[in-house]
Amino acid sequence: DAKTTQPPSMDCAEGRAANLPCNHSTISGNEYVYWYRQIHSQGPQYIIHGLKNNETNEMASLIITEDRKSSTLILPHATLRDTAVYYCIALNAGNNRKLIWGLGTSLAVNP
Amino acid sequence: DAMVIQNPRYQVTQFGKPVTLSCSQTLNHNVMYWYQQKSSQAPKLLFHYYDKDFNNEADTPDNFQSRRPNTSFCFLDIRSPGLGDAAMYLCATSREGVLAEAFFGQGTRLTVV
Repeated sequence: DAKTTQPPSMDCAEGRAANLPCNHSTISGNEYVYWYRQIHSQGPQYIIHGLKNNETNEMASLIITEDRKSSTLILPHATLRDTAVYYCIALNAGNNRKLIWGLGTSLAVNP
Repeated sequence: DAMVIQNPRYQVTQFGKPVTLSCSQTLNHNVMYWYQQKSSQAPKLLFHYYDKDFNNEADTPDNFQSRRPNTSFCFLDIRSPGLGDAAMYLCATSREGVLAEAFFGQGTRLTVV
């Protein structure tokens, strides 16, 4: 599975959009980009995933560059409850797949 | 409603005393994972089951074992816990062959004294 790199930490003002970048320059054609987050002392929570098209759901939007070497997770109106560590993972589409986690970005949403 | 349930949430065990952590799921997912997460680190995959097929990560110590008696339950056995095994242990499930998300339990925080 492709390695991903993310900034270790970011800050965002409450109510503003939080844009979390992820580099996955070695991603292969059948690897999807997944995003999870982990609020302190809880289990990780799925946010969104995509292959090459931009995706949106009730939690966030995912923008993937045309060359698929990087992506951005967008939380359109960050709240204090969005303070968490956000993990970007490149995952093979085949069977017996497994989530291999990088260090993630610690997002602090400030009042 | 909790779909992946880990018991207990907090476990204290003595150095060298075997301990078992449990995970149950109501999702009928055929893939189950165990992760170890130490403070300020990312989750580290220990092993996973694809149905009854057990898949061990190459760097998972022999001290860690797992059992999956049926689809709903999975256990993590630590045969002789050391101080370095103190961590959060996370159980997760996902569906076969479908690019769906993994569902995580709340974790069990293990303390070794």
